[in-house]
Amino acid sequence: GAGVSQSPRYKVAKRGQDVALRCDPISGHVSLFWYQQALGQGPEFLTYFQNEAQLDKSGLPSDRFFAERPEGSVSTLKIQRTQQEDSAVYLCASSLWDNSPLHFGNGTRLTVT
Amino acid sequence: AQTVTQSQPEMSVQEAETVTLSCTYDTSESDYYLFWYKQPPSRQMILVIRQEAYKQQNATENRFSVNFQKAAKSFSLKISDSQLGDAAMYFCAYRYNNNDMRFGAGTRLTVKP
Repeated sequence: GAGVSQSPRYKVAKRGQDVALRCDPISGHVSLFWYQQALGQGPEFLTYFQNEAQLDKSGLPSDRFFAERPEGSVSTLKIQRTQQEDSAVYLCASSLWDNSPLHFGNGTRLTVT
Repeated sequence: AQTVTQSQPEMSVQEAETVTLSCTYDTSESDYYLFWYKQPPSRQMILVIRQEAYKQQNATENRFSVNFQKAAKSFSLKISDSQLGDAAMYFCAYRYNNNDMRFGAGTRLTVKP
């Protein structure tokens, strides 16, 4: 398909485990965003890439959160030593360039037990 | 900081009727973008409509239209001839330049047959 693809769709982790969430943006899209969406809330910004450069990571809640996009396409969001408060849906979005509309994936629902 | 406020946590509309969802935002910028996204239970955020702040004409997309009041910093969404498939969470969003997109808390729309 031509949309943004995220995997896994669901992830259950025990508290203290590390997790890695993957995002395949639309081919050719320059900008890539990660959002965290708690139940019943709007998406909250985590971090933003332009190609392989991470231009803004001000939304990452702690140093346990790390994101990368080494070749300017696929991105991985890693959460170390997961905590229960990390339970949320993690959304990835990409856009062709700045200010063009964001295209979202279906998200990864992370549950930390 | 830019903030987006949606004051209606839930709204209900009869099928074939019209409903308006409210959104206000706070910004010191003069040139920016506003969006309405729809999020069904599948979790994927779907772009409904987009408005450039420099355009005075209100955007329309088939049954969806906006009432953009720049001075009042208001951006409401009108859905005409509501259909059962319109039932979803609706998020208002703001984006300035190449910064991240900021979302409101959302409005859950129910469509009654």
